[in-house]
Amino acid sequence: GAGVSQSPRYKVTKRGQDVALRCDPISGHVSLYWYRQALGQGPEFLTYFNYEAQQDKSGLPNDRFSAERPEGSISTLTIQRTEQRDSAMYRCASSLGQGRYAGSTQYFGPGTRLTVL
Amino acid sequence: TQLLEQSPQFLSIQEGENLTVYCNSSSVFSSLQWYRQEPGEGPVLLVTVVTGGEVKKLKRLTFQFGDARKDSSLHITAAQTGDTGLYLCAGPSGTYKYIFGTGTRLKVLA
Repeated sequence: GAGVSQSPRYKVTKRGQDVALRCDPISGHVSLYWYRQALGQGPEFLTYFNYEAQQDKSGLPNDRFSAERPEGSISTLTIQRTEQRDSAMYRCASSLGQGRYAGSTQYFGPGTRLTVL
Repeated sequence: TQLLEQSPQFLSIQEGENLTVYCNSSSVFSSLQWYRQEPGEGPVLLVTVVTGGEVKKLKRLTFQFGDARKDSSLHITAAQTGDTGLYLCAGPSGTYKYIFGTGTRLKVLA
């Protein structure tokens, strides 16, 4: 399958633990987005990568959240010292083009459901 | 801050009925996209509208972009149970960011 993959699909952790969520985009896709999605609502932008460069991190809620994409392919979203309010579905998406030009389609992964106890 | 408000929030209709979903903003968007999301899956792009006043058709789905590029609508003719899902509009904000609408959850009953 050539789609976007994410792992783990489900993660249960205790408050205060660190978690790392992985996104493997479609091969050759330049852009990678991370979103957080509450049930029944639209995705909320977290951060954007153009190759390995993190060009917009304005949506990260606080400094416990960080993301990297060191080789311009796989990306990791890390949440340190997790809190119960971090519980959500975390999705990544990739697109072939750069930024927000009209022809660029985002392909979403299946998401990681994070539960913080 | 750009916001995309969708209405209605929930819609339950019988198979064969028509429906319209709205996406509104007070801000101008260079383009708007419509996605459908099925339970347990990620959103899937249906269409992108770019020009004010543009109308695009995708089988039984008709998408319209407002003349002022502040709003859009999705009309479904003769809804089928397979149309059930969460419908989302989305638009670019800034250079790289996309914002998504509040969502419309559609349930089509057999």
